[in-house]
Amino acid sequence: QKEVEQNSGPLSVPEGAIASLNCTYSDRVSQSFFWYRQYSGKSPELIMSIYSNGDKEDGRFTAQLNKASQYVSLLIRDSQPSDSATYLCAVTLSGGSYIPTFGRGTSLIVHP
Amino acid sequence: KAGVTQTPRYLIKTRGQQVTLSCSPISGHRSVSWYQQTPGQGLQFLFEYFSETQRNKGNFPGRFSGRQFSNSRSEMNVSTLELGDSALYLCASSWPGQGAKDEQYFGPGTRLTVT
Repeated sequence: QKEVEQNSGPLSVPEGAIASLNCTYSDRVSQSFFWYRQYSGKSPELIMSIYSNGDKEDGRFTAQLNKASQYVSLLIRDSQPSDSATYLCAVTLSGGSYIPTFGRGTSLIVHP
Repeated sequence: KAGVTQTPRYLIKTRGQQVTLSCSPISGHRSVSWYQQTPGQGLQFLFEYFSETQRNKGNFPGRFSGRQFSNSRSEMNVSTLELGDSALYLCASSWPGQGAKDEQYFGPGTRLTVT
């Protein structure tokens, strides 16, 4: 069964630190990878997408993709209390439907 | 550009009733996907509509149905509600054109409570 796995957390980091969120997936031919942020009681918000091996940076966020090892990670530099949320990893698996499969999410807590 | 809108935002229904939820995608987006989110199961894909046709379907019973109109607005219907249908129902729109690179943008969701 094609799956996307995330550690549920919570991951607790102090303000100003780097938060590292990881996601593994089972399908070797996965094509697209997305990170969403979801605040409690709100809907998911797309923050990063990555399609090729390597790093992609956007402000304080860096997505890292390693297709050979089948993992994608999200680094948040200079973490702020406002970054406290659940981060969902989504992967478009093979099969042609292009509908992403979502992980269960990692809860991040940034404490002052 | 306005985001994805969903109505109603909150809904309380009784077991056995039916419910219709509405979604208006971002202007220009032609694909609308529906998801159910619960604490126990996470985000589960229901179905996707594109050009008024259901293009993909998740693993949900036939009580869950949907449709899309010519203006890309979409509705989903749940008949014979069960307690387990209590969830946040999310609509996501995308502009199909890049295949697997299509980015989905979520609406605020409809919180359905079945009593």
